[in-house]
Amino acid sequence: DAGVTQSPTHLIKTRGQHVTLRCSPISGHKSVSWYQQVLGQGPQFIFQYYEKEERGRGNFPDRFSARQFPNYSSELNVNALLLGDSALYLCASSLNAAGVTYEQYFGPGTRLTVT
Amino acid sequence: AQSVTQLGSHVSVSEGALVLLRCNYSSSVPPYLFWYVQYPNQGLQLLLKYTSAATLVKGINGFEAEFKKSETSFHLTKPSAHMSDAAEYFCAVSENSGYSTLTFGKGTMLLVSP
Repeated sequence: DAGVTQSPTHLIKTRGQHVTLRCSPISGHKSVSWYQQVLGQGPQFIFQYYEKEERGRGNFPDRFSARQFPNYSSELNVNALLLGDSALYLCASSLNAAGVTYEQYFGPGTRLTVT
Repeated sequence: AQSVTQLGSHVSVSEGALVLLRCNYSSSVPPYLFWYVQYPNQGLQLLLKYTSAATLVKGINGFEAEFKKSETSFHLTKPSAHMSDAAEYFCAVSENSGYSTLTFGKGTMLLVSP
């Protein structure tokens, strides 16, 4: 089975622009989470979606938004890009259900560089 | 709130030596604990997980970790390091309260010399 896939692999944007990152979860997984990994740091939680509803949000500004589609794929959108948004953006999928904790499987990430 | 502290941003060992990567956690509820490995320019791969069953957890590639509630620790060990173990290792905690978001430590880079 295919793992978590993310596109694009790399992206270069200019300050002030908008970016959309995409993620397809493992088949059968209904939950998708997004994490930001700045160079030299551990991943930080941005959003979690389950069954197309937002179930959790990390400490990120409103410039960050996301959504999940009926096929459980997801998009992360970032508006008005800042230099500090340069990072590896990781998507993770899991079986998740309310009250049950499953491990998360990560995709290879999208490397975003803001110039 | 939950948090993870990984002691040592870099750990160097010789090939064949014991690997010990330290992780301490803070959680207000019984935690789930995970170790992930990240190779250069790649995503995260799950090594092992603790989910309140056996306190000694065995993972892939010969790694294991022991959950010690009294010490709030979940250290990762491997008896004999291989060159291929060189990578960055992340400890993460998740509260067993549904929708399991992960809180990661800052990571430990494992360097293995011949």
